[in-house]
Amino acid sequence: NAGVTQTPKFRVLKTGQSMTLLCAQDMNHEYMYWYRQDPGMGLRLIHYSVGEGTTAKGEVPDGYNVSRLKKQNFLLGLESAAPSQTSVYFCASRLGVATSTDTQYFGPGTRLTVL
Amino acid sequence: AQKITQTQPGMFVQEKEAVTLDCTYDTSDPSYGLFWYKQPSSGEMIFLIYQGSYDQQNATEGRYSLNFQKARKSANLVISASQLGDSAMYFCAMREGPGGGADGLTFGKGTHLIIQP
Repeated sequence: NAGVTQTPKFRVLKTGQSMTLLCAQDMNHEYMYWYRQDPGMGLRLIHYSVGEGTTAKGEVPDGYNVSRLKKQNFLLGLESAAPSQTSVYFCASRLGVATSTDTQYFGPGTRLTVL
Repeated sequence: AQKITQTQPGMFVQEKEAVTLDCTYDTSDPSYGLFWYKQPSSGEMIFLIYQGSYDQQNATEGRYSLNFQKARKSANLVISASQLGDSAMYFCAMREGPGGGADGLTFGKGTHLIIQP
């Protein structure tokens, strides 16, 4: 049981390049999330999904696009990377039921540097 | 206004002492959940403990307990008998709305805890 996995672990981009970060979960969770973490900050929500084929904007969505074509995968895309997008990106998932123990489980993170 | 405030950027504590990490929150929603996560130097986010706004008792998980004072809007994490392995960043986070809602978490800026031998 791998939980939440993220690919790649590290990436360096030049300004203007594009890339896609992949998040996969094997827990049959309905809800998935993308966060970014900048130095000295907590995590901030970029986009999220409540199920296959759905996406919604979070707190800091500009410059990113997402897709959830399969329930187990949530993709984060940067169409034209900017230095301000240098960050650590975390994916998370949760079951999506109305219980108090329905917490989010996080992937290991992707460290992205944009030069 | 910040929704989650952690006022201690860093803390040094002697091994085996108890530690209290402060967290205050701001919400007008009567239904919410409060979470604490640990982030060691390796970078992963580890879930520690959860407290629901309607829970009558303070949450406990092993050496972790949550001192929930609803009227003061505080949710402090208490670590009993600290260990060297507790050295890490600790984040308080909140989810507004009922437990079944899809909203993501709002995080504080974290507290860097260092346990000294």
